[in-house]
Amino acid sequence: GQQLNQSPQSMFIQEGEDVSMNCTSSSIFNTWLWYKQDPGEGPVLLIALYKAGELTSNGRLTAQFGITRKDSFLNISASIPSDVGIYFCAGLTSSGNTGKLIFGQGTTLQVKP
Amino acid sequence: EAGVAQSPRYKIIEKRQSVAFWCNPISGHATLYWYQQILGQGPKLLIQFQNNGVVDDSQLPKDRFSAERLKGVDSTLKIQPAKLEDSAVYLCASSLRQGYPGRGEQFFGPGTRLTVL
Repeated sequence: GQQLNQSPQSMFIQEGEDVSMNCTSSSIFNTWLWYKQDPGEGPVLLIALYKAGELTSNGRLTAQFGITRKDSFLNISASIPSDVGIYFCAGLTSSGNTGKLIFGQGTTLQVKP
Repeated sequence: EAGVAQSPRYKIIEKRQSVAFWCNPISGHATLYWYQQILGQGPKLLIQFQNNGVVDDSQLPKDRFSAERLKGVDSTLKIQPAKLEDSAVYLCASSLRQGYPGRGEQFFGPGTRLTVL
């Protein structure tokens, strides 16, 4: 089946540093979504990307939809302690009039104050 | 606007017992999803409803899992009988419409953490 390869698996950084994570696939997706999950909670949508090449920002977060439609990256600038959590990429496939969300394995981010 | 509601938040059962989870989606959202998230992994879709009809249940272990959304609003996911490998977080999500065409962002509830002993 379709799989997303998300990297890195985990990151431990100093507060104030920038962070970059990416997601690749052998399949094409029509939409890329980036979610953050805190312990004991469900994933929360951070950024949605709809067009190949699209670059979208949400505060300190920036994400891009790869030109090939097979990859996406997420950058976090000037990290702060509350950025700690697990970040998931998700690609939306389509078949006729239905869509299916495929998730990556997640990137665990830890920020040292 | 209220988010996706799920209950219970935690459940501990012994193998071979039955368990049921409940989900109430965001008001007006036609599409409802149940996901299974095993520790250390991303969520995996179990079943997708459009109103009260099943759109995709290809990854639902139908010998033990069942789900319904009788009135097109809230939904119940049941496991009977449970196995050790069913220990996971069960997430419910909803969206205004199906993922394609158009924008099908999914909004998640807090999940139910199931432990099977």
